[in-house]
Amino acid sequence: GESVGLHLPTLSVQEGDNSIINCAYSNSASDYFIWYKQESGKGPQFIIDIRSNMDKRQGQRVTVLLNKTVKHLSLQIAATQPGDSAVYFCADFYNQGGKLIFGQGTELSVKP
Amino acid sequence: KAGVTQTPRYLIKTRGQQVTLSCSPISGHRSVSWYQQTPGQGLQFLFEYFSETQRNKGNFPGRFSGRQFSNSRSEMNVSTLELGDSALYLCASSPSFRPEQYFGPGTRLTVT
Repeated sequence: GESVGLHLPTLSVQEGDNSIINCAYSNSASDYFIWYKQESGKGPQFIIDIRSNMDKRQGQRVTVLLNKTVKHLSLQIAATQPGDSAVYFCADFYNQGGKLIFGQGTELSVKP
Repeated sequence: KAGVTQTPRYLIKTRGQQVTLSCSPISGHRSVSWYQQTPGQGLQFLFEYFSETQRNKGNFPGRFSGRQFSNSRSEMNVSTLELGDSALYLCASSPSFRPEQYFGPGTRLTVT
């Protein structure tokens, strides 16, 4: 069935270090893979997406890598800051369905 | 532009009652999706509306329903509330079919 899962529930990093958040997915038919960030008391916020026919996409301080061979997605955050502390969700998106299938989330904690 | 707004922000109901939640999307956005977020199940897709038509529905019982008005505002209704319906209900909007969705702050529903 459809599922998007995360390897680690929590991740603690030092301020200034790079962070890598991983995600596994099971359905190869997704059109996009997306990362969302959710801060306490707020709704998820879009970070970056990648089309299923791409391997890598870069944004501001973030890079998403897609490995379709092993059905793995990762989010790299460069020079992690305290403001990056949040729960990060990977999700996949189906053009035909207009819905997001979310993973369970990884809580990122940045130590000053 | 104003963001997605949801009302009410907090709600306490009793088992067996029904509840209606409201969502106002970002101006110009015609697609509205609803999600349920719980600690155990994470973020789960409920349904998506576009131009007053429900295009896709998640795996929730018929007690969960929704609608969209001509101005793109949306409501969701839960009838015969159960304790397990306690959750954060999130609304998201986007211009059309897009992986980048804009979430509101959610409505925290507590069923006692």
